[in-house]
Amino acid sequence: DIQMTQSPSSLSASVGDRVTISCRASQDIGKYLAWVQQRPGKAPKSLINAASTLQSGVPSKFSGSGSGTDFTLTISSLQPEDFATYYCQQYKAYPLTFGGGTKVEIK
Amino acid sequence: EVQLVESGGGLVQPGGSLRLSCAASGFTFSDHYMDWVRQAPGKGLEWVGRVRKKGNNYSTEYAASVKGRITISRDDSKNSLYLQMNSLATEDTAVYFCVRVMGEAYFGYWGQGTLVTVSS
Repeated sequence: DIQMTQSPSSLSASVGDRVTISCRASQDIGKYLAWVQQRPGKAPKSLINAASTLQSGVPSKFSGSGSGTDFTLTISSLQPEDFATYYCQQYKAYPLTFGGGTKVEIK
Repeated sequence: EVQLVESGGGLVQPGGSLRLSCAASGFTFSDHYMDWVRQAPGKGLEWVGRVRKKGNNYSTEYAASVKGRITISRDDSKNSLYLQMNSLATEDTAVYFCVRVMGEAYFGYWGQGTLVTVSS
């Protein structure tokens, strides 16, 4: 199975901060990488697929980059609604696997 | 508007069975692969399995943790997705989400989830 490792597992940031979350795959997954946001008590929401393609309706403050084994999610200016847990997920091979999540908290 | 509404969750004893449903609307259900993803209380997301569309013979993929104990199926005439779970164990306690797959590859829209509690 492809293991997905996120760092950090949590971070504290202030409104307006730029935030970067890293995700590493245990083997080359090309660009078969997605990012998912989950606000507290809510269902997950898909943000990005193919490492850097924003899904419909996702604001441009979110951006993704990377390929192969190393990927990054950046939030350019953190807003109150962005405080959530973010998961990376590979869809290169079955079983589909998620990273452990990065919880973004208010400083 | 895309909607995915899960139902069928509840309390079940270890060793029991449960069938979850997901009612889809707002899109052409038959055109999409569909997945189930679960989340144990306080834990991360875990992919459960996938059912492909008619053109792919409704073939399925399952996570190792559930293979042999679950069956994912669909009824395109009812715009519905199903998850039949047997031999349930306490570690199957989770919120189960129905997910529309886009481009036969990545997750798109998620339902709100239904809670399954396995306990005696």
